[in-house]
Amino acid sequence: DADVTQTPRNRITKTGKRIMLECSQTKGHDRMYWYRQDPGLGLRLIYYSFDVKDINKGEISDGYSVSRQAQAKFSLSLESAIPNQTALYFCATSDGNTGYEKLFFGSGTQLSVL
Amino acid sequence: AQKVTQAQTEISVVEKEDVTLDCVYETRDTTYYLFWYKQPPSGELVFLIRRNSFDEQNEISGRYSWNFQKSTSSFNFTITASQVVDSAVYFCALSESDYGGSQGNLIFGKGTKLSVKP
Repeated sequence: DADVTQTPRNRITKTGKRIMLECSQTKGHDRMYWYRQDPGLGLRLIYYSFDVKDINKGEISDGYSVSRQAQAKFSLSLESAIPNQTALYFCATSDGNTGYEKLFFGSGTQLSVL
Repeated sequence: AQKVTQAQTEISVVEKEDVTLDCVYETRDTTYYLFWYKQPPSGELVFLIRRNSFDEQNEISGRYSWNFQKSTSSFNFTITASQVVDSAVYFCALSESDYGGSQGNLIFGKGTKLSVKP
């Protein structure tokens, strides 16, 4: 089983719909991250969480919200999806034992907003 | 502000050729970390290497080698004797440091797509 699991793997939705992407991890890491990948733009940080009570905005947080329900779960929500949020979304984790800078990524969620 | 530039958008080589992927970074921090990640066609991100700013030693791992030069703010990645399985998008990334450790929120370059043809 994957250490960092993202669900769903693929999602097609319509403009204006609320959608949630979920991430769970079995690595026991305290830090979790959501990144977005667009073709030709690389990965950009949306939100990150150092622990359950510590959530921080990343470079492109507008239009997104997150919830750290437990140490192992970090969900990303689009309250009202728009077409330019069509992208590949990655969840990642890290901890102090391996070095916070070494991120472990999930397999990604491809989101299409029509 | 932090920035990572990968000027090569796409590179195509023939198997067994050597290839170097360039990475130039900008940061005001004196302590930082640099990374390379590989994204094969399957889409997952595979960690290749991390380097902190105090360690300028070059590193070799099999056919992979990395050249870190603070004087030119570069962290280049060379694949020797490339193979078809090396075909992927490669990302260079930079992370700030706080209290002696990285915050973990990486700044990625836009990636270089490497195609290795048989």
